[in-house]
Amino acid sequence: GAVVSQHPSWVICKSGTSVKIECRSLDFQATTMFWYRQFPKQSLMLMATSNEGSKATYEQGVEKDKFLINHASLTLSTLTVTSAHPEDSSFYICSARRGFHTDTQYFGPGTRLTVL
Amino acid sequence: GNSVTQMEGPVTLSEEAFLTINCTYTATGYPSLFWYVQYPGEGLQLLLKATKADDKGSNKGFEATYRKETTSFHLEKGSVQVSDSAVYFCALSQDNYGQNFVFGPGTRLSVLP
Repeated sequence: GAVVSQHPSWVICKSGTSVKIECRSLDFQATTMFWYRQFPKQSLMLMATSNEGSKATYEQGVEKDKFLINHASLTLSTLTVTSAHPEDSSFYICSARRGFHTDTQYFGPGTRLTVL
Repeated sequence: GNSVTQMEGPVTLSEEAFLTINCTYTATGYPSLFWYVQYPGEGLQLLLKATKADDKGSNKGFEATYRKETTSFHLEKGSVQVSDSAVYFCALSQDNYGQNFVFGPGTRLSVLP
């Protein structure tokens, strides 16, 4: 299989604090990981693309200083929401691509962030 | 730019009914096409895919055929079950590396017993 996990599955935090979300590929090495944001009853919006060992590429309109992405190993990428505010409350989903010559992404179960 | 359009939901069907969820796309070149399914409270799971014109993707009784002439990739299932209740996303990938992934807005399906 190709399993991607996320931790935590849900988190509630106070406004102004930072939250780290982990994305792991459990049974394969992920050369590329993607971070998405999903608003209620809406589709996924790509936030950034992360290649192992290099800086993430952010989509237009996504603040790279607010959403810090680290892809330090072939099985782990982290998204840190810095100085979170209520408008950052959302469902964050990561996905991973196995190998280079494939267009299939395997998705994690998502992390629901609620900022009070 | 690339885009994916899906039929608006929600779609409500009785068990064993026939399902069609329409999907059309706009893209340059020859994208790969996907259907993903999201069950309540979970992430997306790949349901099926097709990488070139006239290819048919199939899985768990679901089918979709890549129609380049109509730029469509409609999802069908002959007999739905309650367990098929979920949100279905049509998506395309413009290149061979999973970049430029574009999702449709999703269609919520509810199957009643």
